[in-house]
Amino acid sequence: EPEVTQTPSHQVTQMGQEVILRCVPISNHLYFYWYRQILGQKVEFLVSFYNNEISEKSEIFDDQFSVERPDGSNFTLKIRSTKLEDSAMYFCASRPRQGMSTEAFFGQGTRLTVV
Amino acid sequence: AQKVTQAQTEISVVEKEDVTLDCVYETRDTTYYLFWYKQPPSGELVFLIRRNSFDEQNEISGRYSWNFQKSTSSFNFTITASQVVDSAVYFCALSENTGNQFYFGTGTSLTVIP
Repeated sequence: EPEVTQTPSHQVTQMGQEVILRCVPISNHLYFYWYRQILGQKVEFLVSFYNNEISEKSEIFDDQFSVERPDGSNFTLKIRSTKLEDSAMYFCASRPRQGMSTEAFFGQGTRLTVV
Repeated sequence: AQKVTQAQTEISVVEKEDVTLDCVYETRDTTYYLFWYKQPPSGELVFLIRRNSFDEQNEISGRYSWNFQKSTSSFNFTITASQVVDSAVYFCALSENTGNQFYFGTGTSLTVIP
């Protein structure tokens, strides 16, 4: 069964460092997302991406964040200068098409720990 | 304002008991979808069920069933004959006609005691 894969599963980084989280969405999907979940809290929307550009982003997704689909298969989230409060589980998701009826398929998450 | 509210933060049941997880949502859209996702201890988010706003018929799928009531904006999820493997955090989510993101509730942590 096709699945969204994320690497690494766990990343530890020092405050102020840049970090790149990687995702390989399901191959025929067109819409890509990043969500984050601070430990014990709800899953929060960060950004959606379609046709090689951001289609929607939340207030959390400030100038420190960027996304890219560099090669048609990978979908990355970059945090330029990490802060302690960026520590969270980051989920990548993809959907085959636009539309509220389609469920999002989530990856297993990358746990980011900023020290 | 919260679009999706899950008032139960933690629930514990003994194995084989039935358990219902509550979800209340808020939207101005007349067309929307509601979802339940499961997050086991391993951390991934697993899609369980989906229901559209035009179909209030309640369904049963194996040990899972859901009760969607538009009049009260509720989309409750029931597990019958619970098992230890059902122990997880369960999230209710809303997808509206406008926009393409999911709005998640805060989750309900279910513990099934053997």
